[in-house]
Amino acid sequence: KAGVTQTPRYLIKTRGQQVTLSCSPISGHRSVSWYQQTPGQGLQFLFEYFSETQRNKGNFPGRFSGRQFSNSRSEMNVSTLELGDSALYLCASSPSSLETQYFGPGTRLLVL
Amino acid sequence: GESVGLHLPTLSVQEGDNSIINCAYSNSASDYFIWYKQESGKGPQFIIDIRSNMDKRQGQRVTVLLNKTVKHLSLQIAATQPGDSAVYFCAEIFKAAGNKLTFGGGTRVLVKP
Repeated sequence: KAGVTQTPRYLIKTRGQQVTLSCSPISGHRSVSWYQQTPGQGLQFLFEYFSETQRNKGNFPGRFSGRQFSNSRSEMNVSTLELGDSALYLCASSPSSLETQYFGPGTRLLVL
Repeated sequence: GESVGLHLPTLSVQEGDNSIINCAYSNSASDYFIWYKQESGKGPQFIIDIRSNMDKRQGQRVTVLLNKTVKHLSLQIAATQPGDSAVYFCAEIFKAAGNKLTFGGGTRVLVKP
């Protein structure tokens, strides 16, 4: 099976812009989670989608949003970008729960 | 943030020696614990997991120990190899809070040849 894929792999944006990141889960996986990874804060859980519904949410502001499509593919959107949003954004998929997640390679976002 | 990794601790180990990576978790009610390995330029990769009703679990060259009394988790890697060089994260899942997942700050392991 192909692994979790994320596009784009690298992205440069400026403050105030918005960005949409995409994640294609492993075939058959219905749960997709998003994480932010920074040197200062480490790995932080953003949210989890399961069958097109947000099932879990971390402690991030409303500028961070996501959605999941019927084919389980997921997108994450960040509006009004701030310098502090520069990070590696990781997507992980699992058949059903957070216990068996497979991570993608991430999208590295740089906000200037 | 929920997981602070401001100063990533580093463990330097000689090839062939055993490695022990430690993690202090935050929630005494967490149900499930996972160790991940993250190599440069890649996403985290599952290594081994353990449920809260266990205190030890073994895999291939790896052993996880759970001490609920002091909220401590450790990962032991036997006969460390150069390919083990990576950052290792522990994670805890608290199911009663809707499967709340929290990562530890991570430890960098450097294997010396």
